[in-house]
Amino acid sequence: GAVVSQHPSRVICKSGTSVKIECRSLDFQATTMFWYRQFPKKSLMLMATSNEGSKATYEQGVEKDKFLINHASLTLSTLTVTSAHPEDSSFYICSARDPRWAYEQYFGPGTRLTVT
Amino acid sequence: GQQVMQIPQYQHVQEGEDFTTYCNSSTTLSNIQWYKQRPGGHPVFLIQLVKSGEVKKQKRLTFQFGEAKKNSSLHITATQTTDVGTYFCAGDSLTGANNLFFGTGTRLTVIP
Repeated sequence: GAVVSQHPSRVICKSGTSVKIECRSLDFQATTMFWYRQFPKKSLMLMATSNEGSKATYEQGVEKDKFLINHASLTLSTLTVTSAHPEDSSFYICSARDPRWAYEQYFGPGTRLTVT
Repeated sequence: GQQVMQIPQYQHVQEGEDFTTYCNSSTTLSNIQWYKQRPGGHPVFLIQLVKSGEVKKQKRLTFQFGEAKKNSSLHITATQTTDVGTYFCAGDSLTGANNLFFGTGTRLTVIP
């Protein structure tokens, strides 16, 4: 199956700093990528849909100025958590849809963010 | 907004017993997908159902999509310890947005 990577896998940052998370599709081009947030032992919450070459579509309740998404190429989307606070600590997972398969999404390994 | 609920939230079974998780959407879905997430891991795609009333099988796993395309189930026959994990259903809405709304998940524990 298709492979999606995420970097970093873990990051610890101080309150007030910004953190960038990268999501890459390694063996296919993804015009659409998705960013999810997962709290411990909870389901995945869709944060935003990242579209290559255009603005991301954010879900209701997700602050677009807080969670900046850039999808500059067909294989890379980035999520920047700006002015991070402890409540932003979470597991962030990206996924990408392989256009060769209409619906299947491939998930990255996730990034564990801890804000102190 | 769209909601996808799953029951049960947790299930403990003895190895060899069967297991079923049910998924219900508040809205009609264009398709439904199932994912498995092992402890500490990320979701891995299992299957997609598109047609009303569709049933698909993967070895010991049987997936069903309801006639109204608002509910689905995953049944595992004769569970094994390798089945441990959280099973999520994820619905793709009819809005054409091509994004998934994940169910609340069912955490399966298999006791050897």
